[in-house]
Amino acid sequence: GQNIDQPTEMTATEGAIVQINCTYQTSGFNGLFWYQQHAGEAPTFLSYNVLDGLEEKGRFSSFLSRSKGYSYLLLKELQMKDSASYLCAARGEGTALIFGKGTTLSVSS
Amino acid sequence: DADVTQTPRNRITKTGKRIMLECSQTKGHDRMYWYRQDPGLGLQLIYYSFDVKDINKGEISDGYSVSRQAQAKFSLSLESAIPNQTALYFCATSDWGAGRNNEQFFGPGTRLTVL
Repeated sequence: GQNIDQPTEMTATEGAIVQINCTYQTSGFNGLFWYQQHAGEAPTFLSYNVLDGLEEKGRFSSFLSRSKGYSYLLLKELQMKDSASYLCAARGEGTALIFGKGTTLSVSS
Repeated sequence: DADVTQTPRNRITKTGKRIMLECSQTKGHDRMYWYRQDPGLGLQLIYYSFDVKDINKGEISDGYSVSRQAQAKFSLSLESAIPNQTALYFCATSDWGAGRNNEQFFGPGTRLTVL
């Protein structure tokens, strides 16, 4: 079957680094996405990986290992505004995405 | 102006009523999607459409129907609403092209409450 697993909640302090892990099982594989979602708002795109390795974009980086079915999102220099839910999503066959349940990150001062 | 719009933004209705949620986009994308989001359950795909003549069921299509009236419009209907359809509904669009990530762009959401 198809499944995405990620931790339900994480906490961190301002200025710290946090890593959110995601494991996936899909029928076929055409990319791994990370989205950010603030409470009551629409998800917004953060990153995309289709090849193994690290993709860096400012304070955010995302890593993919296709052989392990594993990805992580790394957030550096955490800010209060980074408090949000982070959604891992995999694209299998076709273009529909399978989403995980999301990881709620709370950043405290 | 927003690229993906949803109407209404909030709706309260009663069990048994027919409800239509509408989605419009100005991004020129061929592919459109409807999701529902419940607390702690993430986004679940209801239906998706790759072009005007294409409709596909997602993970949780029972109790829902859709209509793709034009490239820019994709509506979701609840023929006879029930309380467990109370949720936040999102429409999304995406482009498609080889070598691109083709990420999905989401509308602002419709909060539906069925009493």
